[in-house]
Amino acid sequence: AQSVTQLGSHVSVSEGALVLLRCNYSSSVPPYLFWYVQYPNQGLQLLLKYTSAATLVKGINGFEAEFKKSETSFHLTKPSAHMSDAAEYFCAVSDVGFQKLVFGTGTRLLVSP
Amino acid sequence: KAGVTQTPRYLIKTRGQQVTLSCSPISGHRSVSWYQQTPGQGLQFLFEYFSETQRNKGNFPGRFSGRQFSNSRSEMNVSTLELGDSALYLCASSLVGLEADGYTFGSGTRLTVV
Repeated sequence: AQSVTQLGSHVSVSEGALVLLRCNYSSSVPPYLFWYVQYPNQGLQLLLKYTSAATLVKGINGFEAEFKKSETSFHLTKPSAHMSDAAEYFCAVSDVGFQKLVFGTGTRLLVSP
Repeated sequence: KAGVTQTPRYLIKTRGQQVTLSCSPISGHRSVSWYQQTPGQGLQFLFEYFSETQRNKGNFPGRFSGRQFSNSRSEMNVSTLELGDSALYLCASSLVGLEADGYTFGSGTRLTVV
C-alpha cells in the first residue's frame, strides 16, 4: 500500500532562511505526489503536484519540490522563508487507481523574525 | 469562481446524536470526496461520490454514510455519534477525479462531540 513519511513534526526557520520539508514515499506504482498547506482553521490548499512529467515541480508562493525516484523522496523547498509561510504542510501520494490520497502526518513550519 | 463550500463551519453535538454535513463543490465538478482530520489519526479518506454514485469508500464504520445529489452537492451523515468522531471534516471536489485534475478542498466543518 502507498504510504508517506514526513520527517520532523516541527521545523523552525528564521525569516529569509531556506525552507526544507522532507517527504519520502512508498509506492508500488509510479505515484502522483502532492504538497498541501493548511493554515489554522482552514482547509488544505494545493501547493504543487508531481504527475510524472518534469521532476522539478514549481508551485505557488515560491515553493518547489523535486521528485527523486532513486531516493523515493519529494522534498519541499523555498529559498527564503516569509512569516506568512508559517502553517502546517502535508505531503500526499495517490493510491493505486487514484481512488484517494494517502497523507503524511504533517510538518508544522514555524518562522521567527 | 466560487470555491468548495462546506456548511456549517462549526457544530457541537451530543454523544448518540446524528449529524449531517453539507458540501457544495465548484461549479461543474462532479466528483466529491470526504476526509476526516484528527490529531491522532491525521487525514483519512472517508468516501468519494461521482455522478450520484459512491465510487470509493474508506475504512470507516457504517455509521458514516454519504450521498450526492444531481447538482453534485454532497452530504455526509454520521449516526450515533461517539466522542472519537470529533474532527475536522474536509470535502474536496474535482472535475472527474483525482488522476485527471486533483482536488480542491473546502474549509471544513469542525465537529465537536460532547
